Amino acid sequence: DAKTTQPTSMDCAEGRAANLPCNHSTISGNEYVYWYRQIHSQGPQYIIHGLKNNETNEMASLIITEDRKSSTLILPHATLRDTAVYYCIVRVLGSGNTPLVFGKGTRLSVIA
Amino acid sequence: AAGVIQSPRHLIKEKRETATLKCYPIPRHDTVYWYQQGPGQDPQFLISFYEKMQSDKGSIPDRFSAQQFSDYHSELNMSSLELGDSALYFCASSLGTSRGNTEAFFGQGTRLTVV
Repeated sequence: DAKTTQPTSMDCAEGRAANLPCNHSTISGNEYVYWYRQIHSQGPQYIIHGLKNNETNEMASLIITEDRKSSTLILPHATLRDTAVYYCIVRVLGSGNTPLVFGKGTRLSVIA
Repeated sequence: AAGVIQSPRHLIKEKRETATLKCYPIPRHDTVYWYQQGPGQDPQFLISFYEKMQSDKGSIPDRFSAQQFSDYHSELNMSSLELGDSALYFCASSLGTSRGNTEAFFGQGTRLTVV
């Protein structure tokens, strides 16, 4: 069973920041938070992941609350090409090759 | 950079036939994952392999089997196909997590249509 809860859908104006929340209140100490996105029928694409510190890369920023029970993915300047389903996934590392378990993601629509 | 290669990209089969899907992971990746995504559904984990051994098993039907070969490519064999098997099948590859942190990269998928 997925261990995360995300809004079903969100809209964002082009050029504005998109903030996608995720609740993972039962996350364990050795579980990382991963974000993937899937653009219509394409293979899911890795975005970013983190354990407890905030992370940033060329695609996005990940803000994890201090208690680690929730996180927010930030796309700083959303474009039309960012329209996709975004999945927040918790995953254990270091204890084998654990698969990603996809739950119900957030369908982000970027509007011109 | 080389990505995960899946073949074929599209496949049409009749009910009760068999199908074989192939996945070629990113070079040096030793772990392969298979996912099934039905129409309007989220990807569902089927099975994974690490160093040619089954690693985890998800909701894979008994009619399906898979293996990872010595060159690390993997094949998903599907028998007695049913209409409900029509879906996108994704393969992903990664380095084993015991070797350090790594994300999984997905192929573009095989669209299987059972008629």
